[in-house]
Amino acid sequence: QVQLLQSGAEVRKPGASVKVSCKVSGYTVTELSVHWVRQAPGKGLEWMGGVDPEDGSRHYAQKFQGRLTMTDDTSTETAYLELSRLTSEDTAVYYCTIGTGWFGYWGQGTLVTVSS
Amino acid sequence: DIQMTQSPSSLSASVGDRVTITCQASQDISNYLNWYQQKPGKAPKLLIYDTSDLATGVPSRFSGSGSGTHFSFTISSLQPEDFATYYCQQYDDLPPTFGQGTKLEI
Repeated sequence: QVQLLQSGAEVRKPGASVKVSCKVSGYTVTELSVHWVRQAPGKGLEWMGGVDPEDGSRHYAQKFQGRLTMTDDTSTETAYLELSRLTSEDTAVYYCTIGTGWFGYWGQGTLVTVSS
Repeated sequence: DIQMTQSPSSLSASVGDRVTITCQASQDISNYLNWYQQKPGKAPKLLIYDTSDLATGVPSRFSGSGSGTHFSFTISSLQPEDFATYYCQQYDDLPPTFGQGTKLEI
């Protein structure tokens, strides 16, 4: 059984970066297809990017190209999302999720607030 | 990107009612369509994958059907705990995209 535990809420100023972690238990992080989905306040779900575990390639949504980086640390079985050049429109709950096609396991979410 | 259009955006119903939500894709996605339930302050929960397969532990009052571009999701007899927002999601092509959600109010 996979469990995903995300890091706590973050507050950042516009222009800064944020790094959110997602600790995986029950599996090795590199075995899994880890994706990141965000949800702005009162809005729907937006896929940001995901990893293909077969070759480790990263796929990013076009709108985040150049400022989104997904990494993982196999020593701690943790996946990371780093988003740079933050604006107020990046204020959202960020979820890590696992799946190939459908997303069967989700972290609890991390609220990122961007405010001056 | 494939656009997913859900309807209605919101729905009021009573316990015991049968409710149906529809999801239309902007192009043929075969049966690569999933449904999620999200309650306030919680992560989404997978209910149905590949159009009609029930995820583990999901009650049989939930069901899905469709193919190509038109899909539907049905709750056969609403329970109080079904108050939530429901999303469809396609994975026929990258990026995976979600519908805008349907808020179900009991």
